[in-house]
Formats: sequence, C-alpha cells, structure tokens
Amino acid sequence: AQKITQTQPGMFVQEKEAVTLDCTYDTSDPSYGLFWYKQPSSGEMIFLIYQGSYDQQNATEGRYSLNFQKARKSANLVISASQLGDSAMYFCALRRGNNDMRFGAGTRLTVKP
Amino acid sequence: GAVVSQHPSWVICKSGTSVKIECRSLDFQATTMFWYRQFPKQSLMLMATSNEGSKATYEQGVEKDKFLINHASLTLSTLTVTSAHPEDSSFYICSARGYNGEQFFGPGTRLTVL
Repeated sequence: AQKITQTQPGMFVQEKEAVTLDCTYDTSDPSYGLFWYKQPSSGEMIFLIYQGSYDQQNATEGRYSLNFQKARKSANLVISASQLGDSAMYFCALRRGNNDMRFGAGTRLTVKP
Repeated sequence: GAVVSQHPSWVICKSGTSVKIECRSLDFQATTMFWYRQFPKQSLMLMATSNEGSKATYEQGVEKDKFLINHASLTLSTLTVTSAHPEDSSFYICSARGYNGEQFFGPGTRLTVL
C-alpha cells in the first residue's frame, strides 16, 4: 500500500517570502516518483515539479524546489519569492513505478500582500 | 506541453438521468487513462484506471455498473455516470498517460445533479 500525507491544511505566507509545504509518503517500492501540483479555484491541475526516487539531486523548476529526503520519506515543496498568484491548493502525489498516481489531502496556500 | 481536454466542462442534470463525460488526449496517444473524483475541499480520489481496448480497473468502493468507463481508442476515454443522484455531484478529472510515461490532467468536469 502507498500513503501520502500532507499535514498542513492551510498555510499563510507574506508576499515575496519563501514557504515550505510538507509532504511525507510511505511506499515499499524502490522505484517511485513524487509530484507536486497546484490547483487554483478553476480546478485545473497544474504540474509544478517532479522528483524520481533514484534522482541524486533535488529537483528545481524556477521558483519551485523540492526538498527530497529519501531516508525520511519526505518531499517538501519550497516556493521562493511568493506571489499573490501562488494562492491555491497544492497537492503532493506519489506514483509507484508505472502505476497510478495517488494524492495527499492538499494544502491551501494563501499569499498575503 | 501535451493537452488533455474534457467535455463538457460543466453539466447540470436531473436525478435519475445518465451523464457522459469525454476525455481526449489532443496531441499524443494515451495508453492509460485515469478517472478521479474530487468533492469540495477534498483531494482527488482515483476511481478507475483504463487501458485502451481493455476493461477498466476500478478502485475499491467504486461501483463499476454506476460509473461506466470506455477507453475505445488511444485518444478517447469516456465516463458515464448512470442514474445520477445528488450524491454523485462532484468534480471529475481525467488524466492521460502516454508511451513515455508522462501524465497530463484534463481541466475537469463539474457535475451537479439536482
């Protein structure tokens, strides 16, 4: 079985500051992928960043970086220089091998001006 | 990036009617399609996985006779909610995966059953 946990239902951050959204996972598969998606109020799922279980370096995509700590089974998303448009729901997801993708409960991020 | 479309984007229907939602991969062939359901303020829950030309695999607790999935081609999958009831009102999102393993999500379909 696999499990994805996001313990922060809601987070607030001041504009231009950095914020970390937590994600822990549990899987016995050696090969897996971790994803982060942003879901604005429109409902679309916007892909942000991906980390493979065998990747040696932490993934980065512009203002997004993934703090991957394999031994602790955590894959936290760091958003630097927050913008008002970053306010949305954020979901962490785990995919084992070539199987389906499972999502955490999500974190609602609010960026304050 | 690759595009996945869903139609309709929203639908309102009367209780007892059936509703069909289409999911298309527009510029790639989707070997596998996934259907998710999302209730308000909740996460995406996987309903079923379908591979082209074969029967869908449903998650535990999802009624296969109520949520009919057809993956007839490499670019089209349909979800039919049969005899819809108000508790079926939800946001339905499809996701398509191509040969290279990349996975893309559709924009979702908001279903309201009166």
